[in-house]
Amino acid sequence: SAVISQKPSRDICQRGTSLTIQCQVDSQVTMMFWYRQQPGQSLTLIATANQGSEATYESGFVIDKFPISRPNLTFSTLTVSNMSPEDSSIYLCSVSFGFGVQAEKLFFGSGTQLSVL
Amino acid sequence: SQQGEEDPQALSIQEGENATMNCSYKTSINNLQWYRQNSGRGLVHLILIRSNEREKHSGRLRVTLDTSKKSSSLLITASRAADTASYFCATDASRDDKIIFGKGTRLHILP
Repeated sequence: SAVISQKPSRDICQRGTSLTIQCQVDSQVTMMFWYRQQPGQSLTLIATANQGSEATYESGFVIDKFPISRPNLTFSTLTVSNMSPEDSSIYLCSVSFGFGVQAEKLFFGSGTQLSVL
Repeated sequence: SQQGEEDPQALSIQEGENATMNCSYKTSINNLQWYRQNSGRGLVHLILIRSNEREKHSGRLRVTLDTSKKSSSLLITASRAADTASYFCATDASRDDKIIFGKGTRLHILP
């Protein structure tokens, strides 16, 4: 198990600005992921944060809009750039441990509720 | 892309009753998991069932998996007010390591 601290927990931002969300884990993890959950919807995977290299983005998400860093095995950031009201969502950091069958279960941060005016 | 589809989308039952939620998926899977989300916050893992298993229990939770029908069900017995939450199924497709979530069922337990 892991303790995942995600900051900020919520923010209200102006259109056109950027917000960086931080995810800190209390132990080293194998995989770190960023999900988006639009109001009343399910979770959509944005990207896999790779330690020391560029993130792997899912279809429909690009690095210019959602730059991600992962400088080590316990920390990652997601930036939502040039925000518009359509970016209003909950953003969730999740992690898994180990490889193969050990890596099947995801642990989640408490999420960042973003509102863009 | 969406893999799992839960039904019903919303469910209200009296405290003490059993709650059943269903999940259907589209492609072959390694395993299927169920997660709970309270009030739009982080998800909590409940239970995992592998593709070669048919039924699994954990406390008041019972999960079944029918790979021939590509469906799963989550049964919560003797429901409590604290069970009020959204429940999501998530699948780990055979082709890759991504975990894809369904649309979820909002469960409300009435006192």
